Amino acid sequence: GNSVTQMEGPVTLSEEAFLTINCTYTATGYPSLFWYVQYPGEGLQLLLKATKADDKGSNKGFEATYRKETTSFHLEKGSVQVSDSAVYFCALSDFGSNYKLTFGKGTLLTVNP
Amino acid sequence: ETGVTQSPTHLIKTRGQQVTLRCSSQSGHNTVSWYQQALGQGPQFIFQYYREEENGRGNFPPRFSGLQFPNYSSELNVNALELDDSALYLCASSARDSEAFFGQGTRLTVV
Repeated sequence: GNSVTQMEGPVTLSEEAFLTINCTYTATGYPSLFWYVQYPGEGLQLLLKATKADDKGSNKGFEATYRKETTSFHLEKGSVQVSDSAVYFCALSDFGSNYKLTFGKGTLLTVNP
Repeated sequence: ETGVTQSPTHLIKTRGQQVTLRCSSQSGHNTVSWYQQALGQGPQFIFQYYREEENGRGNFPPRFSGLQFPNYSSELNVNALELDDSALYLCASSARDSEAFFGQGTRLTVV
């Protein structure tokens, strides 16, 4: 079955530091890949997505590239802000954007001033 | 603000009881999915409803059941509650084949 493995947290960074959160996946076909973010007390929000190999998803300074050869979708940001503090989830779906998402366990990011 | 609202926000139930959680989907959305998020884990897919019909189910026992109404709002029912059912239950609504928008969730505690 499908599975997502992401970097264990928590991750603590200083403001303006470089962020990488690793994510690898196992899937039978050619899934779509997603990063979701969960701010304290809020629901999940889609941060970015990629639907085929070599696609790069980007949003709010975050980027992730769909690497089929390494089955990876690592999240990066060049300069984090305190407001980026949240839990980040990597996810995949075999069937598009809204069906049967398989999530990783989440990575808590704390950014200090 | 996603427009997906869930009620109640918190709930405490006793083992063996039944519970109903509610979700109002965002305007224009006809698909609702439910997820269970245990503490420290990622959300797990329970099932999805499309136009009032179940449209796929994850690895959850039959005591987890649902409904979708003509206005596309939805209910999640859990019978014979167990301690391991304690979790955050998330509802997500979407239009067909589009991005899922999540509500803030219902925190269920089973004692």
